[in-house]
Amino acid sequence: QITLKESGPTLVKPTQTLTLTCTFSGFSLTTSGVGVGWIRQPPGKALEWLALIYWNDDKRYSPSLKSRLTITKDTSKSLVVLTMINMDPVDTATYYCARVFGVVKWFDYWGQGTLLTVSS
Amino acid sequence: EIVLTQSPDFQSVTPKEKVTITCRASQSIGSSLHWYQQKPNQSPRLLIRSASQSMSGVPSRFSGSGYGTGFTLTINSLEAEDVAVYFCHQSESLPQTFGQGTKLEMK
Repeated sequence: QITLKESGPTLVKPTQTLTLTCTFSGFSLTTSGVGVGWIRQPPGKALEWLALIYWNDDKRYSPSLKSRLTITKDTSKSLVVLTMINMDPVDTATYYCARVFGVVKWFDYWGQGTLLTVSS
Repeated sequence: EIVLTQSPDFQSVTPKEKVTITCRASQSIGSSLHWYQQKPNQSPRLLIRSASQSMSGVPSRFSGSGYGTGFTLTINSLEAEDVAVYFCHQSESLPQTFGQGTKLEMK
């Protein structure tokens, strides 16, 4: 059974740094073709792709957020960490992690999401 | 960046109705287009991958078609449990992008 779960703060202040952790089970990030990505969704709005990390440590970022994002993995602990610096109220959203599989890279398993509010 | 535009944004539906949602890409993405269903307070669920391949466990009333820049998600004989927001997603090029969503509500 494949599961992913996001964890992190529910509230951060503007200009602070956000650290989110995605802990997963049922698959390995050492398997060829596997990746874990982060997607966010502001309340009542559409999904926004943020970043991806693959089994071979290849990392991809949204160009609009690239200067603020860092994605890393710890395969021994089955987790992926997303760091976002200089948080702003517009970053208020539910943040999801999801597994990517295959050459075509669809998101086949998603975490439950974690709601983050950015406010002073 | 590839822009995905869904239509309609909203549709009021009745049980057993046939529903068609379209997703248009701003440039060709081959078949790298996927459909997700998101029910209230839930995570997205992958329904269709690579334009037309249904995921395991997805009811057969859901189907997808299309290639290049035009794609369709069809729900044959809609059931009450299908009320949700549906998103398309392209993974052909980075950054990956999502459509704005189509919300289905029961009349």
